Amino acid sequence: QKEVEQDPGPLSVPEGAIVSLNCTYSNSAFQYFMWYRQYSRKGPELLMYTYSSGNKEDGRFTAQVDKSSKYISLFIRDSQPSDSATYLCAMKDTGGFKTIFGAGTRLFVKA
Amino acid sequence: NAGVTQTPKFQVLKTGQSMTLQCAQDMNHNSMYWYRQDPGMGLRLIYYSASEGTTDKGEVPNGYNVSRLNKREFSLRLESAAPSQTSVYFCASSDWENGYTFGSGTRLTVV
Repeated sequence: QKEVEQDPGPLSVPEGAIVSLNCTYSNSAFQYFMWYRQYSRKGPELLMYTYSSGNKEDGRFTAQVDKSSKYISLFIRDSQPSDSATYLCAMKDTGGFKTIFGAGTRLFVKA
Repeated sequence: NAGVTQTPKFQVLKTGQSMTLQCAQDMNHNSMYWYRQDPGMGLRLIYYSASEGTTDKGEVPNGYNVSRLNKREFSLRLESAAPSQTSVYFCASSDWENGYTFGSGTRLTVV
């Protein structure tokens, strides 16, 4: 079993839809949770960074962490064609230097 | 622009050839990382350097070596390339409090 599981998609939605992206994990020591966005043929870029459980909002993006269920989510409101990319979840524990990544979910937002 | 610079962007090698991938960051980060990204596998850590003068193995270190030349530069060397090393390689840096900053990647094909 992988430490981090993420549905690869692809996920296709119409413009303006609310998008929900999810990851599950098995290591209860993970404390830092991140979402990266990766456009085709580019490096990943950090989108959201949260510590422990709870919600964090930044514009159209909301990250949720439920440590009791070992489940994290990224919501995108009013999705735009420019949101079309691969979204990778990532997480690490307090003491480690290594971040574990999910395989990524490909998202297509149709105009 | 501040960030992480990788060279080369593309490379084709014959089996058994050697090469070095270069990475430099100007963000004054202590930690640097080399990842490979393969379809369906996500990002897998090859080696990392928590600080200048230290390097450690990641998840998939076999067939690779690294050098942390100074605080800015972290190189990855393939001594005898194999087709299984065909991948996209990303260098990243981090200051621990925040997530990673990635380079734009090196697309390597070994024939």
